[in-house]
Amino acid sequence: AQKITQTQPGMFVQEKEAVTLDCTYDTSDQSYGLFWYKQPSSGEMIFLIYQGSYDEQNATEGRYSLNFQKARKSANLVISASQLGDSAMYFCAMREGRGSGGSNYKLTFGKGTLLTVNP
Amino acid sequence: DAGITQSPRYKITETGRQVTLMCHQTWSHSYMFWYRQDLGHGLRLIYYSAAADITDKGEVPDGYVVSRSKTENFPLTLESATRSQTSVYFCASRPSGGETQYFGPGTRLLVL
Repeated sequence: AQKITQTQPGMFVQEKEAVTLDCTYDTSDQSYGLFWYKQPSSGEMIFLIYQGSYDEQNATEGRYSLNFQKARKSANLVISASQLGDSAMYFCAMREGRGSGGSNYKLTFGKGTLLTVNP
Repeated sequence: DAGITQSPRYKITETGRQVTLMCHQTWSHSYMFWYRQDLGHGLRLIYYSAAADITDKGEVPDGYVVSRSKTENFPLTLESATRSQTSVYFCASRPSGGETQYFGPGTRLLVL
């Protein structure tokens, strides 16, 4: 079973509108972390936002917010006031558990959602 | 502040050749990681390292070797390249006590 599922291969949004990118995860750990990364066409991976499993408030970073619904195991990324520069591939990722020797810091990635912002 | 760099950025090689991809970070981060990115698979972990001289396998380690003699360097070697190893390779690092992994710019590898 996939640990991270991004069900939207592609999404379109009009400039200045908000958009939600879906991410569901599967883990039996109580302690875990969820991340969103952006990959523009130039190829680099840019960290956007992080949510810890024990964080009670949804994470926010500027125009990005993470809609964390623990019972539903979802961690959707919300981008407000979309800009043309937001056009990119977006990856959801999860860090599970508390292992040793660095094993607890491995990230498992979803397959990504390609967001296109239309003018 | 250079951050995390990878070299070469682009590489073409032939089946059976040995290839080494370099990763260097200037932050003194304890943890370093190698991922490969392929269409339809997202990023998959190849190897990771918790500190100098401590490395461990990730999800797809076959055909790869790593070493970490110095904290700042984490080279990835393809001992005998195969076409299936054509991919984009990302190195990442993470400080101890922090959550975020920071990625290098990637190396595009083509194995003919």
